[in-house]
Amino acid sequence: SQKIEQNSEALNIQEGKTATLTCNYTNYSPAYLQWYRQDPGRGPVFLLLIRENEKEKRKERLKVTFDTTLKQSLFHITASQPADSATYLCALDYSGGYQKVTFGTGTKLQVIP
Amino acid sequence: SAVISQKPSRDICQRGTSLTIQCQVDSQVTMMFWYRQQPGQSLTLIATANQGSEATYESGFVIDKFPISRPNLTFSTLTVSNMSPEDSSIYLCSVRPGTATDTQYFGPGTRLTVL
Repeated sequence: SQKIEQNSEALNIQEGKTATLTCNYTNYSPAYLQWYRQDPGRGPVFLLLIRENEKEKRKERLKVTFDTTLKQSLFHITASQPADSATYLCALDYSGGYQKVTFGTGTKLQVIP
Repeated sequence: SAVISQKPSRDICQRGTSLTIQCQVDSQVTMMFWYRQQPGQSLTLIATANQGSEATYESGFVIDKFPISRPNLTFSTLTVSNMSPEDSSIYLCSVRPGTATDTQYFGPGTRLTVL
């Protein structure tokens, strides 16, 4: 079965630094990969989508890379702020077109002022 | 975009009872899903709610335990039946308004505690 692995340990970084979160997956590469943010007690909020033929995508302070050879995606937050503190989930569609997304376990990011 | 509301936002229930969770979307959507998020865990897809037909359940989830209704393109309900403490979780409604690569939106969730 497909597996999505994210670092289960919390990531603590100083404000202003770049946070880098990792998402690894097994078996075949999906057509696209998504990143979400989830705050305590709330549903996930979509951040970025990257397709398998895209190496990198950016949105403001966010950058996502997708390496189908390594079966890995990296999620970067530059100039991090305390407001960026949250759990970040990666998600992949393994359903072969049935639009069902599978989520990783998420990595909790804490930005320290 | 899509704005999703869920009712109730939280509930505390007794073992053996059932709870129905409502999901309302502010626009018509084709794809609607129900997820469960147990404490400290990621999201697990329960089923895809199909308008006008029976829901499609994922492995490990059955209709008798989690009956789902989808009477139209803006509304769905999920019932958690014959509850046990193991059903304590956050239940999330989610929609995908567009194509397969479109954004997926989530409701605020229903936090269920079973005593």
